[in-house]
Amino acid sequence: GAGVSQSPSNKVTEKGKDVELRCDPISGHTALYWYRQSLGQGLEFLIYFQGNSAPDKSGLPSDRFSAERTGGSVSTLTIQRTQQEDSAVYLCASSSRSGGRTEAFFGQGTRLTVV
Amino acid sequence: AQSVSQHNHHVILSEAASLELGCNYSYGGTVNLFWYVQYPGQHLQLLLKYFSGDPLVKGIKGFEAEFIKSKFSFNLRKPSVQWSDTAEYFCAVKVSGNTGKLIFGQGTTLQVKP
Repeated sequence: GAGVSQSPSNKVTEKGKDVELRCDPISGHTALYWYRQSLGQGLEFLIYFQGNSAPDKSGLPSDRFSAERTGGSVSTLTIQRTQQEDSAVYLCASSSRSGGRTEAFFGQGTRLTVV
Repeated sequence: AQSVSQHNHHVILSEAASLELGCNYSYGGTVNLFWYVQYPGQHLQLLLKYFSGDPLVKGIKGFEAEFIKSKFSFNLRKPSVQWSDTAEYFCAVKVSGNTGKLIFGQGTTLQVKP
């Protein structure tokens, strides 16, 4: 597609439920990032996929969070047993390769509200 | 671990005032530096980037940033802001030769009064 696409754009879920957030990166982009944006907290790095290498999961806040990237393209971020503190905007970005000299392109984000 | 610090969390300026937003990073090696902007209701977009060469880089909409290696800084500047510059600004660092992990600062909210 023309840009990074995320779905759904908004998600309201009950505390304790599991949620799945989807990211479709720009076609051909090998690197994919997930971030969490909370009010006053900036962009918190969650996980980074680069090609076929093992993902960098160092930013995942707890074992309730996991992410997959199938076929080197679409990625799904899963949050199990959601808590109210998980409420935030979840952003996905992709870049053309994993090297330093590339910019990341962002999607519109998924606004998650846990009630 | 690498980190990025933006000193100004909320800046309020009048139109035509000059802007400088601070950004410092903690990493002693080669870095690639970025400023992103998020206008209200829109997605993050690249404002400018520095990879190598001239440490003064120019971006879109009259913004520029200067990389000062000795100070680990990459401050964003604009000589004369407009109301349409109201947005949130993020500094980001990618360590060259690393896995490509992109680390962001906390962001600075700029409010320009007409």
